Amino acid sequence: QVKLLQSGAALVKPGASVKMSCKASGYTFTDYWVSWVKQSHGKSLEWIGEIYPNSGATNFNEKFKGKATLTVDKSTSTAYMELSRLTSEDSAIYYCTSGTDWGQGVMVTVSS
Amino acid sequence: DVVLTQTPVSLLISLGGQASISCRSSQSLVHSNGNTYLHWYLQKPGQSPQLLIYQVSNRFSGIPDRFSGSGSGTDFTLKISRVEPEDLGVYYCLQRTHNPWTFGGGTKLELK
Repeated sequence: QVKLLQSGAALVKPGASVKMSCKASGYTFTDYWVSWVKQSHGKSLEWIGEIYPNSGATNFNEKFKGKATLTVDKSTSTAYMELSRLTSEDSAIYYCTSGTDWGQGVMVTVSS
Repeated sequence: DVVLTQTPVSLLISLGGQASISCRSSQSLVHSNGNTYLHWYLQKPGQSPQLLIYQVSNRFSGIPDRFSGSGSGTDFTLKISRVEPEDLGVYYCLQRTHNPWTFGGGTKLELK
């Protein structure tokens, strides 16, 4: 069955960057867009952007341009998201999703 | 950005009862291709969101027919009949018609 397995929780310092992964299995990775979604503590969901693994094409929520970088490694069916210049506002759970299936989420905590 | 307003914010329902959740959009969700990309998700406590309904009224694989979606244009409804314990959690509507995708604020379904 379809699985999206995300990397583990991260504790990072303000101003630093963090890169998380989302390994897909159970379907043809290159055929479907992978999106990333942010969920701040106890709050609703925000779409960050999406990447098409076959071509590397991306679409972003303007709010996250310059904050998030999306890449893929087709050889391992893995999508990556890097968040830069982290502040406390970036502390949240980040999900990858194919739209129908979701990863388990990565909790990012930004603290000195 | 498209604003999705979900009501009510919380819902107290007895087991076996019926729940109705509204999702109203700040603009029409009919895409230029004629499709309406309004979806419903359930996020159970401590879990990732799961897809229930896609494109207004189509149940995703494995979703029981107790769940039904309806609506058009800017006004959409999710109905849950014969509520069961596993239905509890937060329900979100999501629009993918306009960039950026946006989610409703969520409706928490709890037992009375």
